[in-house]
Amino acid sequence: DAGVIQSPRHEVTEMGQEVTLRCKPISGHNSLFWYRQTMMRGLELLIYFNNNVPIDDSGMPEDRFSAKMPNASFSTLKIQPSEPRDSAVYFCASSTSTGWDYGYTFGSGTRLTVV
Amino acid sequence: AQTVTQSQPEMSVQEAETVTLSCTYDTSESDYYLFWYKQPPSRQMILVIRQEAYKQQNATENRFSVNFQKAAKSFSLKISDSQLGDAAMYFCAYSRSGGSNYKLTFGKGTLLTVNP
Repeated sequence: DAGVIQSPRHEVTEMGQEVTLRCKPISGHNSLFWYRQTMMRGLELLIYFNNNVPIDDSGMPEDRFSAKMPNASFSTLKIQPSEPRDSAVYFCASSTSTGWDYGYTFGSGTRLTVV
Repeated sequence: AQTVTQSQPEMSVQEAETVTLSCTYDTSESDYYLFWYKQPPSRQMILVIRQEAYKQQNATENRFSVNFQKAAKSFSLKISDSQLGDAAMYFCAYSRSGGSNYKLTFGKGTLLTVNP
């Protein structure tokens, strides 16, 4: 199994630009989570999907952030327009809805730098 | 809301020695799950060990074991015979049981240094 695949691994963009982060969950996992990690705030859940449907997006910081899961094998997190305070590592994780209690499988993360 | 607190921002241990990382949590639930994740410099999040709240027995995975004190809402991680490869950030995490809201709530982490 290839694990959870995130792309790109690193992204540097200028303030005001649109940024799209991508995630491919493990095949057969029907729950997908987007987390953001910063030194100040630690790991924060942004949004999670179950069977491609957003269940809880209360962690999405503001309207500049949006996430989609058009099918079971792909999700995107978009920031438009980006700001320097969005600089962070963004993780995607997946699990089965019956196996979540065994923890998630995380991707390697995307380090986003907004200059 | 559930919260997870790791009161030790940094810890260090000598190679081959034992170290214990602390974690406390706050919840009104009676059934839940607790986890320790390791994040090495590669930044990959790796599940180290998990504990089911309804089980009295402390979980063990090779050199890693936990001390789960449900009444005190404490969940510490003990690493025995520390190795250089154990150097990483360690995160304690909580997840409630049941329903559809099974998100993980993480503590701020403890940075473990292993000295040769």
